[in-house]
Amino acid sequence: KNEVEQSPQNLTAQEGEFITINCSYSVGISALHWLQQHPGGGIVSLFMLSSGKKKHGRLIATINIQEKHSSLHITASHPRDSAVYICAVEQGGSEKLVFGKGTKLTVNP
Amino acid sequence: DVKVTQSSRYLVKRTGEKVFLECVQDMDHENMFWYRQDPGLGLRLIYFSYDVKMKEKGDIPEGYSVSREKKERFSLILESASTNQTSMYLCASSWRGYSQPQHFGDGTRLSIL
Repeated sequence: KNEVEQSPQNLTAQEGEFITINCSYSVGISALHWLQQHPGGGIVSLFMLSSGKKKHGRLIATINIQEKHSSLHITASHPRDSAVYICAVEQGGSEKLVFGKGTKLTVNP
Repeated sequence: DVKVTQSSRYLVKRTGEKVFLECVQDMDHENMFWYRQDPGLGLRLIYFSYDVKMKEKGDIPEGYSVSREKKERFSLILESASTNQTSMYLCASSWRGYSQPQHFGDGTRLSIL
């Protein structure tokens, strides 16, 4: 069974700082997902990637398939970025996701 | 925009009751999922359905069953609720195939007393 590890578990930053959240996994995957969960509970899909890099606004996601590692970066962080960020992987041959435990980000004004 | 609607945001039930959690999606997605989310454990898959009347067990199916009689609706059933089933329950849907984003409902916070 694939294991997905995220670091750090908790992260506190000041507004404007550059944020990096890391995700490592242990077996072959077909895709990696980054998700965001706000305190109300709803989860939103941010990115889905199987190679390279994707950018959306101030968010950037990268993946290194050889090293089995992905990073989520937030540039010019803002208090509204405060949320739990979750990494999830699709193991090859499965449509089901295996989730990391999440990184709780707090951005202070 | 995809809408996944869960029937309740908060629910309180008693031990031994039969509990139904309902989820409806409006995008004609083939796949639907039920997860539970607990502090320190992350999201865990309870059941997955890839078509009407089709289901697969996830990682933690014990104590739960599911029903999918119509494509848009996926129900999670706690046959005899127990206190260890107190949790946040999340429903999601997606298209069939790999590398499809999942669309989540807002969750149901269920307390079993």
